[in-house]
Amino acid sequence: EVQLVESGGGLVQPGGSLTLSCAASGFTFSHNSMIWVRQAPGKGLEWISYISSDSGFKYYADSVKGRFTISRDNAKNSLYLQVNSLRDEDTAVYYCATDPGSSNWYDSEHWGQGTLVSVSS
Amino acid sequence: QLVLTQSPSASASLGASVKFTCTLDSGHNNYAIAWHQQQPEKGPRYLMKVNFDGSHTKGDGIPDRFSGASSGAERYLIISSLQSDDEADYYCQTWDTGVRVFGGGTKLTVL
Repeated sequence: EVQLVESGGGLVQPGGSLTLSCAASGFTFSHNSMIWVRQAPGKGLEWISYISSDSGFKYYADSVKGRFTISRDNAKNSLYLQVNSLRDEDTAVYYCATDPGSSNWYDSEHWGQGTLVSVSS
Repeated sequence: QLVLTQSPSASASLGASVKFTCTLDSGHNNYAIAWHQQQPEKGPRYLMKVNFDGSHTKGDGIPDRFSGASSGAERYLIISSLQSDDEADYYCQTWDTGVRVFGGGTKLTVL
């Protein structure tokens, strides 16, 4: 069974930092490009970052560029998101997912259950 | 700029069919998309990819009631024989070099 399990969320003050993790199992993680997506309370899905299977390419949405850093450890089947200089508007549930833009056409895609980041003083 | 447009809401009766539309901007009207479902208080679930020619491939365990289609810049998700647990938000997603984009989502109410 494919599983993506996020962790590391919590309550943090404005300007603070967190490291989000995503543990993958049930598929060949090292073959998949991955993305982070967030969802603010009552809002839609927002793509925030992408990493290729070998970490050779990393992309960020303008809203987080310069503050967030994506990384992965294929030996540990894990994806990470370092979030710095947090703002109130970064409050959201953060999801990891496989990237349909990089997968083979017939591959199924997968989402984690999310981890909540709350930014508040 | 890569943009996906979805209607904010839709409604249909139990047992009926519904068609969701996701419209690509004119500069990207031959792009493939993915559809995702998000039931209340749950994480998203991948449904399918839909290509510019209407061909589509579904995710693991997605019932035959779900299908995809295309016409020009529009990509469709069609659900037949609506069930109560189809009540959810539906998002389309596309991609280009350096960017991934989601539509604003359509909230489905099953009457």
